Amino acid sequence: DAKTTQPPSMDCAEGRAANLPCNHSTISGNEYVYWYRQIHSQGPQYIIHGLKNNETNEMASLIITEDRKSSTLILPHATLRDTAVYYCIVTFNNNDMRFGAGTRLTVKP
Amino acid sequence: DAGITQSPRHKVTETGTPVTLRCHQTENHRYMYWYRQDPGHGLRLIHYSYGVKDTDKGEVSDGYSVSRSKTEDFLLTLESATSSQTSVYFCAISEEGIYAADTQYFGPGTRLTVL
Repeated sequence: DAKTTQPPSMDCAEGRAANLPCNHSTISGNEYVYWYRQIHSQGPQYIIHGLKNNETNEMASLIITEDRKSSTLILPHATLRDTAVYYCIVTFNNNDMRFGAGTRLTVKP
Repeated sequence: DAGITQSPRHKVTETGTPVTLRCHQTENHRYMYWYRQDPGHGLRLIHYSYGVKDTDKGEVSDGYSVSRSKTEDFLLTLESATSSQTSVYFCAISEEGIYAADTQYFGPGTRLTVL
């Protein structure tokens, strides 16, 4: 079973920031937080990952709370092409990536 | 995008027939994975490989076998397909597998229908 809890769906207005939450209250010290997304029926796409510190790349920012029990993925300026299912995954082992149901983000014009 | 191709992209077969799906990579990555995706279950790991001829089972390995005779190719075989194996199958690769700070890159998927 996935070790994370995500809302099943969210909406966001085009051009606004999309903030996707993830709860992982049972995370252990050596587990990373990963975010992937899946657009329509394509293969999942890596977005970002982190251990303790906040991370930023060209796609998104990842904010991890100090107690590491939750995190937020931020898409700073959402576009229609960001409409997808977003998966939050907690793992210490790349051979054990448990994808749950994710959050279906719909970006609206 | 990582150089990963899957073949075939779509296949319809009958119950009891053998089926082999192929994943080919051009990245020379050590680790390769096979997942299946079904409604209500997300992606689930079937088998993975950590080198030529080195494979291990994942979460849902029953009914599947794999082989890796070359770094670039990872084959998934359904010896006798069943309707419960109707699914979308994704291949993934990663440069290293034992450290979590390594990302997986996914192929485009194969949609398999077993009648």
